[in-house]
Amino acid sequence: QSALTQPASVSGSPGQSITISCTGTSSDVGDYNYVSWYQQHPGKAPKLMIYEVSNRPSGISNRFSGSKSGNTASLTISGLQAEDEADYYCSSYTSSRFYVFGTGTKVTVL
Amino acid sequence: EVQLVQSGAEVKKPGESLKISCKCSGYSFTNYWIGWVRQMPGKGLEWMGIINPGDSDTRYSPSFQGQVTISADKSITTAYLQWSSLKASDTAMYYCARPGYSSSSFYYWGQGTQVAVSS
Repeated sequence: QSALTQPASVSGSPGQSITISCTGTSSDVGDYNYVSWYQQHPGKAPKLMIYEVSNRPSGISNRFSGSKSGNTASLTISGLQAEDEADYYCSSYTSSRFYVFGTGTKVTVL
Repeated sequence: EVQLVQSGAEVKKPGESLKISCKCSGYSFTNYWIGWVRQMPGKGLEWMGIINPGDSDTRYSPSFQGQVTISADKSITTAYLQWSSLKASDTAMYYCARPGYSSSSFYYWGQGTQVAVSS
């Protein structure tokens, strides 16, 4: 099972919107609405930001939104803030009855 | 309050064995899968395997099958990740995690266990 493909880095200025893509296959992203997104700050454990493609856990800002089209899922951060600077990983359930992470994206706030 | 508390950092030599733990509390241990995730220095997250403590059903990533063993002890609500013969390439941070909000999204995470393997 290969890792899902994410851009290595994405940057934006405060207040702007950015979108991170997560490309898989018809055996994972394309076949299941079980895509999650995690935020990880340096030295910290990952934090769930989006589950089941587009749902936010309690306490997660509505500036974070998720979507999916075909084999590609996306995370959009609107109104970018300095605290959003972190690494972001997508994860999908797969036909192997297991999970796979994306390659990770470093978000930089300029 | 759901808590996953992992065992402390380890420094080991190649060839040694190791078992790290994830003590779970605040919920019914047998009702939720526990997953283990590896993060090598400066690298991304990798799913290693997951276990259902209720029936010990365990699934491994092909990359980790045969390299590690995941287990759980219901009596002490603790999940384990173990190696029989460590390699330098096992040097990494290891996290345990439990689903929340949906069965496929991992909301609760341990603080991580740093494992260093060096001769």
